[in-house]
Amino acid sequence: AQSVTQLGSHVSVSEGALVLLRCNYSSSVPPYLFWYVQYPNQGLQLLLKYTSAATLVEGISGFEAEFKKSETSFHLTKPSAHMSDAAEYFCAVSDSRGSGTYKYIFGTGTRLKVLA
Amino acid sequence: DAGVTQSPTHLIKTRGQQVTLRCSPKSGHDTVSWYQQALGQGPQFIFQYYEEEERQRGNFPDRFSGHQFPNYSSELNVNALLLGDSALYLCASSPLRAEFYTGVGSADTGELFFGEGSRLTVL
Repeated sequence: AQSVTQLGSHVSVSEGALVLLRCNYSSSVPPYLFWYVQYPNQGLQLLLKYTSAATLVEGISGFEAEFKKSETSFHLTKPSAHMSDAAEYFCAVSDSRGSGTYKYIFGTGTRLKVLA
Repeated sequence: DAGVTQSPTHLIKTRGQQVTLRCSPKSGHDTVSWYQQALGQGPQFIFQYYEEEERQRGNFPDRFSGHQFPNYSSELNVNALLLGDSALYLCASSPLRAEFYTGVGSADTGELFFGEGSRLTVL
């Protein structure tokens, strides 16, 4: 069965510092991997996705993530945090390849706090 | 281009009542999935509809049911509400048909597009 583990339910960084949010996955087939952001009282917005093309994926708002098969990881990074990055971040895995069903398994989320 | 729209945005019910939530998918999408997000948790898959049939179901009781209409819009129904049903209910759409039959183009990404959600409070 597929699963996603997000290490650290809360992460605090100073404005301008590196953001690193950790995600490890478990999948028996090559996965699709996603990072979503959720602002208070809003739905989920896609940051970036890995679909077996380049292992380093660039997303919106300066975020990127690197797929490392040997470590079963898909950590999210941003070189310099901005106050507007404060939100909840979710990593998700999908085994939709070939099945077309797009069922996602989400992690429990990491709340990012940016300190002035 | 309208994205995924959900209604109502907020509602309050009491235990034992029934609720219906509605979703219109993004233009060009024919598959709708529903997720439940309890406070402080990640979204949990409820079920998915394609061609007006339930195609996959997560670990939710039969009190949770759904429907998809010919225009691809969908409803989520929850009967005999419990306090634990209080959550944000998210609808997501995806272009299943294109990816399934052609396997090419932007549809072949496994990407879901989410609505803003319907926040249900059960008292």
